[in-house]
Parts: sequence; structure tokens; C-alpha cells
Amino acid sequence: GAVVSQHPSRVICKSGTSVKIECRSLDFQATTMFWYRQFPKQSLMLMATSNEGSKATYEQGVEKDKFLINHASLTLSTLTVTSAHPEDSSFYICSASDPTSGSYEQYFGPGTRLTVT
Amino acid sequence: GNSVTQMEGPVTLSEEAFLTINCTYTATGYPSLFWYVQYPGEGLQLLLKATKADDKGSNKGFEATYRKETTSFHLEKGSVQVSDSAVYFCALSDGNEKLTFGTGTRLTIIP
Repeated sequence: GAVVSQHPSRVICKSGTSVKIECRSLDFQATTMFWYRQFPKQSLMLMATSNEGSKATYEQGVEKDKFLINHASLTLSTLTVTSAHPEDSSFYICSASDPTSGSYEQYFGPGTRLTVT
Repeated sequence: GNSVTQMEGPVTLSEEAFLTINCTYTATGYPSLFWYVQYPGEGLQLLLKATKADDKGSNKGFEATYRKETTSFHLEKGSVQVSDSAVYFCALSDGNEKLTFGTGTRLTIIP
């Protein structure tokens, strides 16, 4: 089946620094990738949709200058949290859709837990 | 807009009990419906799905039937196991690739 990986799985950074999270589709080409944020014991909040070779589309209320998304290839999307603050601490999950599957099914990565100290 | 309403948890059951987690939705058109499961510290995994009315999705003993007349997609399992302890999310997609999730239901099965 379709596999999506994320790296790193956990990261701790100091306030004011930037951190990059990678999302890779391992055995399929993903024209579209999605970035979600999940707060403890809450649902997933869609942050942005990224399409290979074009700018990401951000959901209302998500700061695009703070959460930089780059979908450089059909198998890689990155989320960079710039000038991180403790309130950015969260579980970040990416997903990718496989257009050859004939459906809009999304395959999720295992998530990255970001802690900003 | 689209929305998904899920039964609030947490839900605690004994092993071998019958499980129902309610899910209703609001959407324009004919969405596809999904149940995802999230085990502790992990991302989401697709549990089952249904793409049209009266379809029944099933996997690992779990079932859910797409009921257009009641706009529901309730998750059921006849006999739960400790390994089923997880958070379950109901979701819909109305064809534009975006998923709308419910708030999740935390299920704990005790031996």
C-alpha cells in the first residue's frame, strides 16, 4: 500500500529558531500533499494544501509567512516553522493523495511532535 | 459548509463488548465517508470507507454503513479487543480532496 514518511518524528527546538519537517511519499507520486496540525486530544486542523511546483494554499487563519511549505518534487513536501514559539508546539501530520488510485484517498504520515522551549 | 459530528468520548468498554461510535455529517452533494484510527503516538490510518449511499465499509471486524437518509456513518464492532484502544475519527470528502474531520472519539478497552 501507499506509504508516507515524516522526518523527524520528534524535534525539540529553542524559541526563535526555525525547524523543518519533511514529508515523503515512498512508493507513489503525490501531486497533492496536505499539512495538518493536531492539538492534544483534539481533531486535525488542515493548515495548507500543497501542489507540486506551485504555491501552497493556506487555510484561513494560518500564517503563510510563519509556516513555509515547499512541494519541491512529486515525492517530497516540507513544512518549515519559522521563528518558533512555545505556542507552535504541536503534533504536525502530513498526508498525500495518490492520483493513480482513482480516488481522493489520503495516506497519512506518522506525524512529527514539535516541542518549542 | 461541510461538518462532521462525532459522539464525544472517551468511551471505555470491556473486552468482547459491542462497540458503536456515532457519526453524522452535513455536506452538499454526495460525499465519500471515512473512518480513520490513530494509535498512541502515531499518525492516522484509514480503517474503512464508503463512497456512495448504502455502501458498507468493513475492515478488521469494524463496519460502517453510509446512510444518506439519516446522514450517518456509525462505526460498529461486535467484539472489541484491547488492541482496538485508539482514537477514531470520522471524516468526509466532497470530492475536492480536502477531508473534514470529526473531533475524534477516544476508545479504551479494558481486559
